[in-house]
Amino acid sequence: DSGVTQTPKHLITATGQRVTLRCSPRSGDLSVYWYQQSLDQGLQFLIQYYNGEERAKGNILERFSAQQFPDLHSELNLSSLELGDSALYFCASSVGHRDRGTDTQYFGPGTRLTVL
Amino acid sequence: GDSVTQMEGPVTLSEEAFLTINCTYTATGYPSLFWYVQYPGEGLQLLLKATKADDKGSNKGFEATYRKETTSFHLEKGSVQVSDSAVYFCALSSSNTGNQFYFGTGTSLTVIP
Repeated sequence: DSGVTQTPKHLITATGQRVTLRCSPRSGDLSVYWYQQSLDQGLQFLIQYYNGEERAKGNILERFSAQQFPDLHSELNLSSLELGDSALYFCASSVGHRDRGTDTQYFGPGTRLTVL
Repeated sequence: GDSVTQMEGPVTLSEEAFLTINCTYTATGYPSLFWYVQYPGEGLQLLLKATKADDKGSNKGFEATYRKETTSFHLEKGSVQVSDSAVYFCALSSSNTGNQFYFGTGTSLTVIP
């Protein structure tokens, strides 16, 4: 158990809908990362937050957005869903040291999203 | 930019065979290097890491040595077990890029009895 929790575990929805995925980081971690894992594109970094502020952006679509709340949990919002958004979405957390390249990311179990 | 290249899979081995999964990297500065493992139906777990040149990371019989001269971090295990069947990801993190993580594409390993 990594200490990172994600809810829900599974989500089935229809095209055009909007969903929210939730992540609680490990105790003491300030950074949260979101990844999308699909069969054809592998593990794609979406976005990173550090202590409530956006720190880095990866291949995140404009239909997707995220935020990190004062209690450090994070939510990933996916809207106008398309069939191609079906994937595993992982959250990871780390302490978030900016100046030291020794930060380790710990992954949650993921949310499997199926868009029908 | 920073990147990681790992050998294509899938890899199929018999139990007790020797495993090598190659990983090379491109990075500015002095990155930390990681191997993560993903078992079927689960999230990624940290397997081992090395934070400076010539460091060796090890865990559960797996080893990898940070080789700056060849920019490599190959994963090895002397005798694989069926329970090692999983997808293995090489990754790097560099303070030059704000500790961004860059993952390889993953290598699927199947160990047959």
